[in-house]
Amino acid sequence: NFILTQPHSVSESPGKTVTISCTRTSGSIASNYVQWYQQRPGSSPTIMIYEDNQRPSGVPDRFSGSIDSSSNSASLTISGLKTEDEADYYCQSYDSSHHWVFGGGTKRTAL
Amino acid sequence: QITLKESGPTLVKPTQTLTLTCSFSGFSISSEGEAVGWIRQPPGKALEWLALIFWDDDRRYTPSLKSRLTITKDTSKNQVVLTMTNVDPVDTATYYCAHLETGGWKRFDYWGQGTLVTVSS
Repeated sequence: NFILTQPHSVSESPGKTVTISCTRTSGSIASNYVQWYQQRPGSSPTIMIYEDNQRPSGVPDRFSGSIDSSSNSASLTISGLKTEDEADYYCQSYDSSHHWVFGGGTKRTAL
Repeated sequence: QITLKESGPTLVKPTQTLTLTCSFSGFSISSEGEAVGWIRQPPGKALEWLALIFWDDDRRYTPSLKSRLTITKDTSKNQVVLTMTNVDPVDTATYYCAHLETGGWKRFDYWGQGTLVTVSS
């Protein structure tokens, strides 16, 4: 199986843009879609991005996703940072054997 | 509207068996393409996928815990049950059940509120 590696934390000021990476340790990042979840303290995760770059209805367009085959990683970009974006963010993918994998999570804090 | 809710003991002793129930509404686990999974999160740590059951009773488990886990479904009750044997304090976590996107099976699109299970003597 593979591991999805995320930075432990990212910090940026409100109004700025932050990017969170998710690197796949084996196999191609492009092989299986990547999803991103937001988890606020004390709450269940909610999906923010699916299939690499798709936003569910209701998710602001400040959130965007992408993949980069050269670095074998996916990224979640949050622009125009707001206080309410302070949360933990998890990437998630799956393999051909129907096993699902979550990244280690990234805590986004405000400077 | 899909909703899920976990239930089970809040405290379990080491070596005992943990049984958690996920009660859901808004879909039928017997309908083609449907699936429900379990994910856990130790305090302050990351999410970990544990198990999943499909509408056709196909079951999948995370390899590291496969020998200790059993997932079943009760279609008539709209429930999915997870059993974990021989629990240890490291199994202390919030356990979530979640609906897997119908047919695509890539993302967990609806989550329960989670239930905190503490393993301690």
